[in-house]
This record gives sequence, C-alpha cells and structure tokens, in this order.
Amino acid sequence: EAGVAQSPRYKIIEKRQSVAFWCNPISGHATLYWYQQILGQGPKLLIQFQNNGVVDDSQLPKDRFSAERLKGVDSTLKIQPAKLEDSAVYLCASSFGTSETQYFGPGTRLLVL
Amino acid sequence: AQSVTQLGSHVSVSEGALVLLRCNYSSSVPPYLFWYVQYPNQGLQLLLKYTTGATLVKGINGFEAEFKKSETSFHLTKPSAHMSDAAEYFCAVRGSGYALNFGKGTSLLVTP
Repeated sequence: EAGVAQSPRYKIIEKRQSVAFWCNPISGHATLYWYQQILGQGPKLLIQFQNNGVVDDSQLPKDRFSAERLKGVDSTLKIQPAKLEDSAVYLCASSFGTSETQYFGPGTRLLVL
Repeated sequence: AQSVTQLGSHVSVSEGALVLLRCNYSSSVPPYLFWYVQYPNQGLQLLLKYTTGATLVKGINGFEAEFKKSETSFHLTKPSAHMSDAAEYFCAVRGSGYALNFGKGTSLLVTP
C-alpha cells in the first residue's frame, strides 16, 4: 500500500514570499492532518480535515496560513507571506477515521531566509 | 487538555544495552498513548500504541511500553539496543479532537 506522499521535500524561500505544500493521503483515508515540526520540538497540529471539512484549525495562524482539501482527497497548505519563524518541517498525516492510527508522510522541510 | 512530557532530550546507550525512554502523561480522560520513531529526513513511524486493555504493549523492532496509570507513565523499552535504533523518539497522547499532542522528543544515540 502506498504511503502518504508529500511534495516538495525541500523548499528555500525569502521572508515575505509565498509557498505551498501538497499532500496526498493513503487511499481511502478520510482524515488528514497537517503538523508543523520546528527544530528540536515535537510536531504541533496546524489543521485537521475530515473529508473536505475542517475539524480543528485552532492553532493555524490564519493571517498567513491557509489550507484546503477541496475534493476530500489531497490537500494543500499555503503560507503567505512567510516569516523567518515559519522555518520548520511540515508533516502531513492521514488516518482511516478520526480514531484510527495516523500515518505520516516524509515531510516538507522549509527554510525561510 | 492532554499532554506528555519526555524526560531527557538525549539518551546514549551502548550496543546491546537496555534502552529506556521515559514519558509521563497528563490527561483528564483515559489516555490513548503512542510512541513514534523518526529517522533523519523521514516522517514519523508508529512503534506502538496503547488504547485499552493490556497495559504492556509490544511494538515493532523489539520495542515495548507499559502503561502505568498510578505513575501516569508510558515508558518505552527495548532489552538490547542495536545501532539501527539510533533515531528521534516521540511520545504522544491523543487529544480531544483525535489529533496527537507530542512531546519534545528524545534523541537516542547507540555507541559501539
């Protein structure tokens, strides 16, 4: 079974630029998560989708971050404009249902200069 | 709110020695607890999880963890460390919305 796919794997941008990340979950997984992992810390939830609806976006900095999952399958996470403190690894995870095991993608490593 | 605290950001063991990574949790409801491993430049891989039932949970790669409610702990152990075990280990607890709340991680170093 194919795992969670993410692209790009690495991205370097300058502050105030915009960037977008893509995630394709495991086939059939209804729940999709985006986590932010800052160096030296554990992942922190940014947003959780159930199919194409948002379940939890309480920790998403909505003034600069946005995410969508229009068809209930793949998802994009956007940052506009980026700040230095957004440098992190952005992890996508999916699960069959909200109470099931989460499977993680390889992550996108973002460096903001 | 549910949270976990991992004791020790770095742990070093000799190859063949016991691995013990510590995790304490705080939860107002019966917790669902997880250990994930992260190798360099890779995503997180589930080692094991505790939901209900047997308090000693066995996972992949010879790891196991014991849920101790009286101590609010979920420590990860492996009887004999292998060089390939060197990685970052994360303890996590399921939050109210089913997302995971992670600890800060413990970096395991295995020396020959």
